[in-house]
Amino acid sequence: DVKVTQSSRYLVKRTGEKVFLECVQDMDHENMFWYRQDPGLGLRLIYFSYDVKMKEKGDIPEGYSVSREKKERFSLILESASTNQTSMYLCASSLPSGTVHEQYFGPGTRLTVT
Amino acid sequence: GDSVTQMEGPVTLSEEAFLTINCTYTATGYPSLFWYVQYPGEGLQLLLKATKADDKGSNKGFEATYRKETTSFHLEKGSVQVSDSAVYFCALSDPTSGTYKYIFGTGTRLKVLA
Repeated sequence: DVKVTQSSRYLVKRTGEKVFLECVQDMDHENMFWYRQDPGLGLRLIYFSYDVKMKEKGDIPEGYSVSREKKERFSLILESASTNQTSMYLCASSLPSGTVHEQYFGPGTRLTVT
Repeated sequence: GDSVTQMEGPVTLSEEAFLTINCTYTATGYPSLFWYVQYPGEGLQLLLKATKADDKGSNKGFEATYRKETTSFHLEKGSVQVSDSAVYFCALSDPTSGTYKYIFGTGTRLKVLA
C-alpha cells in the first residue's frame, strides 16, 4: 500500500526557532512536493524536488528551504519561524511528469508558531 | 498561467440529495484533470481523474466528465451520504508542459446532514 508519512501531526514552535518538517515516501517516487494549506487559499506550492539533491521553488518559497539527500525523504526547513507561517503543511509525492500521475499525500503537519 | 476555479462553499445537503460541485479551468496545453478529497484530519486522496477530452472519471458513486468546449470538470454524485462530508479539490496537471506542477482549486467544503 502506498504511503507518505510526515514526522509530526501537530507542532508548536516559538517565533525565531528553526523548524524541520520531515516527509518520507515508500513508493520510490522521483517527485516530491511541499504545500501549505490555508482556509480560502487552497494548496500553495512551496518547493518541489524532481530528483535527489534537485529542487525548484514553487509559488511561495520565501522563508523556507528544502533538503533532499535521499530519494525517499524530503525535508522542509523554516529558517526562522514567524507567526505568519502558522499553517497546515502537506507533503506529496508522484512519479515523474511525462505521463499522467496523481499525487499521493501525507496526513499533514499542523504547525503553530507563537 | 494555468488556473482552476471552484465554486465557493460550504455546500450543505441532506442525505440522498444530488451533488454538483463546479470546477472550471484555464490551460494553454492539454492538462489532465483530477478531483481530490480531504476528510477531516487527513491529507488529500485522489477521488477520480480524466486525462483527455470527453473522458469520464468515476469512483465511489462520484463522477466527472472532462469537457474541453466549456473547460469544465464538474463533480457529481446522485445520492450523497453523511460519510461524504469532506473538502473537495479540483486540480490539473499538464504532463506535456515540461513542469512538475499541479494546480489546485481553493477547495469546496461539503456537509451532508442526516
